[in-house]
Amino acid sequence: NFMLTQPLSVSESPGKTVTISCTRSSGSVATNYVQWYQQRPGSAPNTMIYDNNQRPSGVPDRFSGSIDRSSNSASLTISGLRTEDEADYYCQSHATDGPWVFGGGTKLTVL
Amino acid sequence: EVQLVESGGRLVQPGRSLRLSCRTSGFSFGAYAMGWVRQTPAKGLEWVGFIRSKVYGGTIEYAASAKGRFIISRDDSKRIAYLQMNSLRTEDTAVYYCGVTTYHYYGMDVWGQGTTVTVSS
Repeated sequence: NFMLTQPLSVSESPGKTVTISCTRSSGSVATNYVQWYQQRPGSAPNTMIYDNNQRPSGVPDRFSGSIDRSSNSASLTISGLRTEDEADYYCQSHATDGPWVFGGGTKLTVL
Repeated sequence: EVQLVESGGRLVQPGRSLRLSCRTSGFSFGAYAMGWVRQTPAKGLEWVGFIRSKVYGGTIEYAASAKGRFIISRDDSKRIAYLQMNSLRTEDTAVYYCGVTTYHYYGMDVWGQGTTVTVSS
């Protein structure tokens, strides 16, 4: 199986834009869909992006997802940062034969 | 409103069994696949497995760590998904989340709040 590598932490100021990367170690990032989950402290994960760039209903359009074949990575971009966006963010994809693979998570600090 | 409520997590000795339940409401349970994911501080989020809807055969996929010890099932009449965990090990200690999978089964669409399983003597 491949690995998904995320930066341990990112920080940005309110109102700014931040991008969190998720790099796939082997195989093409375009082969299997990527999901992004937000987890606030003490809470369950919440799905923010599915199928690389689709937002579930109720997720603000400040959140967007994309993939980049050249860097073999997926990205979650959050614009107009708010203090309530401070959370851990996890990317997730799957191997072609089934197993889900999660990234290690990125702690977003909004300061 | 879609709601998923896990229960059954507790302290259990190594080698024993435990069944987790995921009670649901607010959606057509029988039409959706249900998944389980666990989380530990050391390993982060880890996929356990999922069960397809009966419309798609009710087939089940397991992570390698769950295969042979864990059993996922569902009772559509009660709108409950189950995770039966046997021969528990200390490394199974985690918060266990159930959820509705994405339409293609390879991600989670909606998550429950989680239940904590502690395996210790």
